[in-house]
Amino acid sequence: EAQVTQNPRYLITVTGKKLTVTCSQNMNHEYMSWYRQDPGLGLRQIYYSMNVEVTDKGDVPEGYKVSRKEKRNFPLILESPSPNQTSLYFCASSSNTDRVEGYTFGSGTRLTVV
Amino acid sequence: ILNVEQSPQSLHVQEGDSTNFTCSFPSSNFYALHWYRWETAKSPEALFVMTLNGDEKKKGRISATLNTKEGYSYLYIKGSQPEDSATYLCAFESNAGKSTFGDGTTLTVKP
Repeated sequence: EAQVTQNPRYLITVTGKKLTVTCSQNMNHEYMSWYRQDPGLGLRQIYYSMNVEVTDKGDVPEGYKVSRKEKRNFPLILESPSPNQTSLYFCASSSNTDRVEGYTFGSGTRLTVV
Repeated sequence: ILNVEQSPQSLHVQEGDSTNFTCSFPSSNFYALHWYRWETAKSPEALFVMTLNGDEKKKGRISATLNTKEGYSYLYIKGSQPEDSATYLCAFESNAGKSTFGDGTTLTVKP
């Protein structure tokens, strides 16, 4: 089944403790992206990657890191999480050559930083 | 940060009503305009992606149009059903690959 897999689905952590949210896709998509969703707001892009070893900042990159060493994986790293990073996070992927399908989203990761 | 605006913010209609929403976006650096359907506790699902000015797309009772010169897109739902209740998101994608979502229109269809 074609899918984007995020782990974990839920995470409660403490301020300052480094964490990684993993994202993997099995559709051979070039494009991958991370978003956060907060109450009353739409999805805001954190980072995106057009292909392996190519990453760019979205609208809210502060406090986050990403890497794209392999085509299928695009982990989101919070080096020193803070309470304002409590949010619902989505990973998404898409083909660069055929956008007609749109983005395929993962199931989301609900992160709470206390 | 690019300004992508959706209106209305929420909409309540009766079953069988037809309805439409608006998404406005910048007309420069345009690559694509996406529409997604997002149900509570689920992930957004793609409805349409449009890239050319004048594009019209249709899927069942839902259709969308695109005007890149003036920077707007309309989403239409004909004969709304309770199962159409969801939040509808649009997203502007720039030619650099960056995407900016609107805050969504939440549709509630009453039986």
